[in-house]
Amino acid sequence: DAKTTQPTSMDCAEGRAANLPCNHSTISGNEYVYWYRQIHSQGPQYIIHGLKNNETNEMASLIITEDRKSSTLILPHATLRDTAVYYCIVRVGRGTNFGNEKLTFGTGTRLTIIP
Amino acid sequence: NAGVTQTPKFQVLKTGQSMTLQCAQDMNHEYMSWYRQDPGMGLRLIHYSVGAGITDQGEVPNGYNVSRSTTEDFPLRLLSAAPSQTSVYFCASTEGGTGRTEAFFGQGTRLTVV
Repeated sequence: DAKTTQPTSMDCAEGRAANLPCNHSTISGNEYVYWYRQIHSQGPQYIIHGLKNNETNEMASLIITEDRKSSTLILPHATLRDTAVYYCIVRVGRGTNFGNEKLTFGTGTRLTIIP
Repeated sequence: NAGVTQTPKFQVLKTGQSMTLQCAQDMNHEYMSWYRQDPGMGLRLIHYSVGAGITDQGEVPNGYNVSRSTTEDFPLRLLSAAPSQTSVYFCASTEGGTGRTEAFFGQGTRLTVV
């Protein structure tokens, strides 16, 4: 799996957009960018994933640069409940076996939403 | 749906004891996996299974055994607990085939080995 680099921590004011960057300069052509978050040491929660096009769902938007070497997760209107550790992970989408799909977690970005 | 259920939520073991962490999912997912998370670190893969009767090792398999006799259950066995196995353990499941690729995680088991 490609290595990712994320800032250790970030703050964001409640109600503002939270923009979480991730660098993945060694990403391969068949690797997707996945985002998960972990709230209060609960089990990680899937947020969104994408290959090369920007993606949006009910939780967030994912912006991937044209060269795919970096991406940004956007929480459009951050709330206190969004305080969590956010993990950016790159891996194949659906490989020939799960061994290619395993998630390699780094230390993530600790996002704190400030009231 | 209950999703992924782990039991127990907390456990204290003495060094050398054995125990089984339970994991069950009710989503008919083919793939299941076990991770451990040490303080201040990301999750590391211990073992995984791509279907009933099929298991394989992950990044940190030593000291752990798994089996997958049914689609729903994927227990993790600690053979002889050591203080280095003090950690939070997470079980996850994922659809197989051409299904969705995101993983669903349980709420974790906090294990302390003294």
